[in-house]
Amino acid sequence: GENVEQHPSTLSVQEGDSAVIKCTYSDSASNYFPWYKQELGKGPQLIIDIRSNVGEKKDQRIAVTLNKTAKHFSLHITETQPEDSAVYFCAAGGPGTDKLIFGTGTRLQVFP
Amino acid sequence: DSGVTQTPKHLITATGQRVTLRCSPRSGDLSVYWYQQSLDQGLQFLIQYYNGEERAKGNILERFSAQQFPDLHSELNLSSLELGDSALYFCASSPGLAETQYFGPGTRLLVL
Repeated sequence: GENVEQHPSTLSVQEGDSAVIKCTYSDSASNYFPWYKQELGKGPQLIIDIRSNVGEKKDQRIAVTLNKTAKHFSLHITETQPEDSAVYFCAAGGPGTDKLIFGTGTRLQVFP
Repeated sequence: DSGVTQTPKHLITATGQRVTLRCSPRSGDLSVYWYQQSLDQGLQFLIQYYNGEERAKGNILERFSAQQFPDLHSELNLSSLELGDSALYFCASSPGLAETQYFGPGTRLLVL
């Protein structure tokens, strides 16, 4: 069935360093890849998304890259700050369905 | 704040009981999605409604049902509750189909 694998499950970095989270999806028809940040006690918050007609997208310190051939996509956070500490989820969706298949999450800790 | 509201925030009930979770989508959004988040299963898609009609179904148990009303708010009904139904239940909404999903703060359900 459809599956999204996410690595690593935990990631600890020093403030100012970069963090990279990787996801692999199984359904080659997937064409939409959002990333969500979830803080303790809150719902997932969309931070960036990419569609399959684009290879890379950047928004300030956050970037996402997509390799359709390899069926994987990655989240890059540069100049990390303590407030970046949270659980990050990747997801894959579409076409023909709005159902999102989520990865298992990465707990990012940024130490001052 | 995503603009999606969910009530109640917390719910404690006993096995065998029935509960109703409520979701109000962002103003103007026609699509509503329900997700379950548990420690062992992660974020799982349950069901989607679009403009009052069921649009897509995930791994939703037969004991669970949902509906979307003319004012576009949605309710998720969980019956014959079991201990394993304890989880966070999230509602998300999007303007239409195949668009970004915005999550609410969730309802934490504890079945004792």
